[in-house]
Amino acid sequence: AQKVTQAQTEISVVEKEDVTLDCVYETRDTTYYLFWYKQPPSGELVFLIRRNSFDEQNEISGRYSWNFQKSTSSFNFTITASQVVDSAVYFCALSKGAGKSTFGDGTTLTVKP
Amino acid sequence: GAVVSQHPSWVICKSGTSVKIECRSLDFQATTMFWYRQFPKQSLMLMATSNEGSKATYEQGVEKDKFLINHASLTLSTLTVTSAHPEDSSFYICGCSRDRIQGGQFFGPGTRLTVL
Repeated sequence: AQKVTQAQTEISVVEKEDVTLDCVYETRDTTYYLFWYKQPPSGELVFLIRRNSFDEQNEISGRYSWNFQKSTSSFNFTITASQVVDSAVYFCALSKGAGKSTFGDGTTLTVKP
Repeated sequence: GAVVSQHPSWVICKSGTSVKIECRSLDFQATTMFWYRQFPKQSLMLMATSNEGSKATYEQGVEKDKFLINHASLTLSTLTVTSAHPEDSSFYICGCSRDRIQGGQFFGPGTRLTVL
């Protein structure tokens, strides 16, 4: 069975602070995919990144960066110099191929001005 | 690319009526479509998985006679909530997978259903 754990239910930071959202996963599959999605108050899920299990390279996209470590089954997400517009619920998800995704419970990030 | 639409974006109905929600992949063919529901401040829970032309596979605990799914084409899936009750009020989101090999889904904007 697959499982995704986002231990941080809520995080509150002040604008310009860096913040890291943790994601730990469990799977018996050797091939799998990990994702991060952002869900702003409007409700729409915004795709942020996909990473397959064979690619452990860290990725940076603007103020966003992701750290994938298979050894600890973690796929953490860091926002550098946070902004108020980053306030949202962030979900980490795991899937096997084109199959269904298992979502974590989400982390609510609040960035205060 | 990879745009998914849902219609309607919100709906309010009376208890006992049926509501149909459409999910369309606008610029790609979705090999598989997924339906999720999300209660306030909770995560997405998968309801069912459907492939074009075949019956949907429902997750445990989801009533297939209550939540009817029709996957008519590679770009359209519909979810019908039959005889809706207030406890069915939720945010319904569809996800579309376009690649049989690589993972990932593209999500619609969601439909907020309120049953009075």
